[in-house]
Amino acid sequence: QKEVEQNSGPLSVPEGAIASLNCTYSDRGSQSFFWYRQYSGKSPELIMSIYSNGDKEDGRFTAQLNKASQYVSLLIRDSQPSDSATYLCAVSSGSARQLTFGSGTQLTVLP
Amino acid sequence: DAGITQSPRHKVTETGTPVTLRCHQTENHRYMYWYRQDPGHGLRLIHYSYGVKDTDKGEVSDGYSVSRSKTEDFLLTLESATSSQTSVYFCAISALMRATNYGYTFGSGTRLTVV
Repeated sequence: QKEVEQNSGPLSVPEGAIASLNCTYSDRGSQSFFWYRQYSGKSPELIMSIYSNGDKEDGRFTAQLNKASQYVSLLIRDSQPSDSATYLCAVSSGSARQLTFGSGTQLTVLP
Repeated sequence: DAGITQSPRHKVTETGTPVTLRCHQTENHRYMYWYRQDPGHGLRLIHYSYGVKDTDKGEVSDGYSVSRSKTEDFLLTLESATSSQTSVYFCAISALMRATNYGYTFGSGTRLTVV
């Protein structure tokens, strides 16, 4: 069974700080990695995707991938209260682009 | 958002009754998925489709069936609803985003309660 593990949290950071979210996965054949943000009562929305080892930056978000360690992380710089949400790590390894999701990390940014 | 709608948004049904949830997309995407989301379990794949009449099982398919007779519609049926199927159900499509990267777009979800 393919597994994706995340720190369950909750994680609290002060406004302006860096929030660090971590994820590990079990399937070494995984090729694509995603971070989704989900506000309470809403559907998940894609915020970052990463496909190769290293860092990928998009605005205040940085995704990091280490395939040898089977580890993916998301850094949120200058955290804002509007970043308070649950962050879902997802890994793709199927021919039909099926995603396996972690259970999510709840982030609270304190004003 | 990517023209994906789910219906109904909320439903309460009795144990043992059949229930069908509908996912409709307007952009001719090939891949469609049904997930359920429960506290502590994240999103779990129920069934997926890779074309008209082409479907396959996901991680938690027992008690569910699907049909896709048209590209735009992907139906999820609970054959005989049980309380363990009380959940939030999300439909998703896999779409091209940001040049060559693919990502999921989710529908708004259906909150199903089985009493």
